[in-house]
Amino acid sequence: TQLLEQSPQFLSIQEGENLTVYCNSSSVFSSLQWYRQEPGEGPVLLVTVVTGGEVKKLKRLTFQFGDARKDSSLHITAAQPGDTGLYLCAERNSGGGADGLTFGKGTHLIIQP
Amino acid sequence: GAGVSQSPSNKVTEKGKDVELRCDPISGHTALYWYRQSLGQGLEFLIYFQGNSAPDKSGLPSDRFSAERTGGSVSTLTIQRTQQEDSAVYLCASSLARRSEQFFGPGTRLTVL
Repeated sequence: TQLLEQSPQFLSIQEGENLTVYCNSSSVFSSLQWYRQEPGEGPVLLVTVVTGGEVKKLKRLTFQFGDARKDSSLHITAAQPGDTGLYLCAERNSGGGADGLTFGKGTHLIIQP
Repeated sequence: GAGVSQSPSNKVTEKGKDVELRCDPISGHTALYWYRQSLGQGLEFLIYFQGNSAPDKSGLPSDRFSAERTGGSVSTLTIQRTQQEDSAVYLCASSLARRSEQFFGPGTRLTVL
């Protein structure tokens, strides 16, 4: 199981601005998932990326998987207060009977009106 | 349909006491996962069930932690002789099958005084 590094740890910006958050590892990801978590709730899956260089869009959110599959980014265009939350990247555990997810520590995002 | 539910939503206990946390997965989901989320460590995998068996217990931090699942449905996570470092939010997730999308419950916030 590898270590997932997320940056920045905290980000506070004004409504309407653009932002990018990152997830990196020293090892190759088999696949990578992005989640969003709001206070008092569990994480909710946003997207899964599998292929190096893959780009997926979800409304104003754009997810990119690095060509070497060691990094991923999440870009939000024209951020809105509803985008506030904890953004987590995760990789599925593997090997033998293993399952479950290994998460990064997340980016705490605050969008101020 | 109903999502994953967890009870209690909050639990305050004294150091040294035992606690039981309950998870009701989405009906028909065969895989069930427990995670722990704390400020310092982020979101950590604890244990994975497929049906009633637990092929992956690799994340349980000590032998004070145990979990069971009966009837392929409800699961209970038990922490014996609680310590202050056990204070965290305990999250449960379920998925239709192994390696399918995981759906998280709202968590149980455990505070050990």
